[in-house]
Amino acid sequence: SQQGEEDPQALSIQEGENATMNCSYKTSINNLQWYRQNSGRGLVHLILIRSNEREKHSGRLRVTLDTSKKSSSLLITASRAADTASYFCATDWYSGGGADGLTFGKGTHLIIQP
Amino acid sequence: NAGVTQTPKFQVLKTGQSMTLQCAQDMNHEYMSWYRQDPGMGLRLIHYSVGAGITDQGEVPNGYNVSRSTTEDFPLRLLSAAPSQTSVYFCASTGWWGENTEAFFGQGTRLTVV
Repeated sequence: SQQGEEDPQALSIQEGENATMNCSYKTSINNLQWYRQNSGRGLVHLILIRSNEREKHSGRLRVTLDTSKKSSSLLITASRAADTASYFCATDWYSGGGADGLTFGKGTHLIIQP
Repeated sequence: NAGVTQTPKFQVLKTGQSMTLQCAQDMNHEYMSWYRQDPGMGLRLIHYSVGAGITDQGEVPNGYNVSRSTTEDFPLRLLSAAPSQTSVYFCASTGWWGENTEAFFGQGTRLTVV
C-alpha cells in the first residue's frame, strides 16, 4: 500500500506567490524525497531529506521533515508558470526485510496562474 | 547523455497479447525498477533489480515478468495482457540502493489494453 499521502490534492495560486504542499507517511523512514512530474513526462528528483535532518534548502525549494508527526512539507517560493506540475513525495518501500524501492503518494497537482 | 530510455512511448494491445517494454540506462547504475502509474494514483513498484542476474517482486508484480542480463537493460514483459494493465509504465534507475540516492526516471510508456 502507498506510504505517503500528499495534501492538498490540487493547489492553484498566482505567479509569484509561495506554494506549500504536505506529505504524511505511516512508518519509519530512512529518508524522504520529493519529485516533480510535468504532464505526460517522467518524474524528476527535486530534493532528498534524511531522517536525521529537519530542514533542507535547494534554490527556491525548502523541505521540512518532522519524524515525530511523520510528515514533511515542500515550499516553493516565488512561484513561476514553469512550476505547474504534479509533486510527489516518496519514501522507502519495504519488502519485508530492508528497503527495496520507493513508494509514492498520489501527488499534489500545482497550477500557477499567470 | 541519454539517462534512462524507455521504448515504446505508446502501445495498444489486445487482451491476451504479449509484449516487452524496453528500458536501458547508460549511467552504470546497479539498481533498476519498474513502476506503474494509474489515474489519481501515485507510482507503484512492480519489479526491481539490485544488479545483473538479480530480480525481485515489488508491490504489484502479478502479470509481469522481468530479467536483468546486463547492467544496462531491464525489460518488463507482459505475457498475456489484460485491460487492468492499462497504465503508464515508468522505468527508473539508482546508483546503488542503500546510499539514499535519487532515482532517475524514463519518460514512460503509455499502454492501453483493449
